[in-house]
Amino acid sequence: GENVEQHPSTLSVQEGDSAVIKCTYSDSASNYFPWYKQELGKGPQLIIDIRSNVGEKKDQRIAVTLNKTAKHFSLHITETQPEDSAVYFCAARGSARQLTFGSGTQLTVLP
Amino acid sequence: NAGVTQTPKFRILKIGQSMTLQCTQDMNHNYMYWYRQDPGMGLKLIYYSVGAGITDKGEVPNGYNVSRSTTEDFPLRLELAAPSQTSVYFCASSYWVREGYSNQPQHFGDGTRLSIL
Repeated sequence: GENVEQHPSTLSVQEGDSAVIKCTYSDSASNYFPWYKQELGKGPQLIIDIRSNVGEKKDQRIAVTLNKTAKHFSLHITETQPEDSAVYFCAARGSARQLTFGSGTQLTVLP
Repeated sequence: NAGVTQTPKFRILKIGQSMTLQCTQDMNHNYMYWYRQDPGMGLKLIYYSVGAGITDKGEVPNGYNVSRSTTEDFPLRLELAAPSQTSVYFCASSYWVREGYSNQPQHFGDGTRLSIL
């Protein structure tokens, strides 16, 4: 089955700096890659997603890049703000058509 | 529009007890899912349903049962609670037709925090 690895597990950045979270996947048939943000005590919320026919997608301060050859995708947050502090999860939808999640990254934005 | 609603938010069970975690969605989504989230880990799929009357096992189904009698509701049943089932449980739903269609991403509830002592 699909295996998704996510790094780093924790990330601290100064307010205004950029943050990058990376994920790799194993199933070459995977075609959909969402990113979720989870705040304390809440369920995950979709922040951006990308499909396998696109190499990059951007939404204001958030962007995701996909390298299908290397089977990795990354989340980029620019101009980080304290409200960006949360746990971020990547996921991949493989041939089984179910999402497999990474283990999460705790992002802390320091004021 | 409430989205995905889970009840209860918190529960403590004794070993061997049983309970049902409730999940309902008002978005007319055909797919529904149950995940568990253990500390420092991602979400693991327990069961999912592609429509009323149809359920299937995910990655970690042992010790759980589900049913889907309506589009809106997807309860998760623990029959004989064990300490290993202490976790946060998330229900999610999505609308999916086929590849290339206007499929919707998964929407999550806020979870049920379950402790088994």
